[in-house]
Amino acid sequence: DGGITQSPKYLFRKEGQNVTLSCEQNLNHDAMYWYRQDPGQGLRLIYYSQIVNDFQKGDIAEGYSVSREKKESFPLTVTSAQKNPTAFYLCASSEWGGVISEETQYFGPGTRLLVL
Amino acid sequence: QKEVEQNSGPLSVPEGAIASLNCTYSDRGSQSFFWYRQYSGKSPELIMSIYSNGDKEDGRFTAQLNKASQYVSLLIRDSQPSDSATYLCAVNGDDMRFGAGTRLTVKP
Repeated sequence: DGGITQSPKYLFRKEGQNVTLSCEQNLNHDAMYWYRQDPGQGLRLIYYSQIVNDFQKGDIAEGYSVSREKKESFPLTVTSAQKNPTAFYLCASSEWGGVISEETQYFGPGTRLLVL
Repeated sequence: QKEVEQNSGPLSVPEGAIASLNCTYSDRGSQSFFWYRQYSGKSPELIMSIYSNGDKEDGRFTAQLNKASQYVSLLIRDSQPSDSATYLCAVNGDDMRFGAGTRLTVKP
C-alpha cells in the first residue's frame, strides 16, 4: 500500500523541549516537504528536500530543523527556539521536475502539535 | 511576495446545486494549478490539476484556468453534503503557493 505516513498523530511539547515529527513515504518520490498550517491560513513551507542529504529552507524555517539521510524519510525537529509551535504539520512528497516541483504534491495525514 | 487569494467563505449551497470556487494568483510565471479538498482535521487530498488554459472535467468537478486573468476556478456540479469541506487552491511557479482555502457547506 503506497503512501505517506506521519507520526505521531498528536504531539505535546513542554517549554524548552525539542520534539521530532516523523514522515515516511514509500512512493519512491524524490522530493519531500514540510508545511505548517494554522487556523484560517494557507499552508506555509518550512523546509523541502529534493535529494538525499540535501534540503532547502522554506518561508518559515526559523526554529525548525530537518534531515534527509534516506530517500524515504524526512523528519522535522521543532526546536525550543520556535516560540509558537502549536499548529498542524503536514508532510508531502512529489516527483522532482527540476524546479521546486512540477509534479503534484501528495500529503500525509498530519501531526497536530500542542504546547503544554 | 507571491500571493494566492481565495474567498474564505463560508460558501453555502443547497444539495444538487453547482458550487463555484474561485482563486486568483499574482505570479504570472505560474505553470501548474491544483485544487485540494481538506476535511476538518484531515490533510489535503488532490481533486484536480490543470496546466493549460480552458476547462478540465473529472466527474462532477470542472477546473477552469485563465492565465491572462490569473484566475483559476473549480466548479462542483450536483453538490452533495459529503462535498462540505475546505477547498485549497495551489499554484506552482518557482515554488508552490497555497491559498487559505474556501469553506464550502452543502445543505441537504
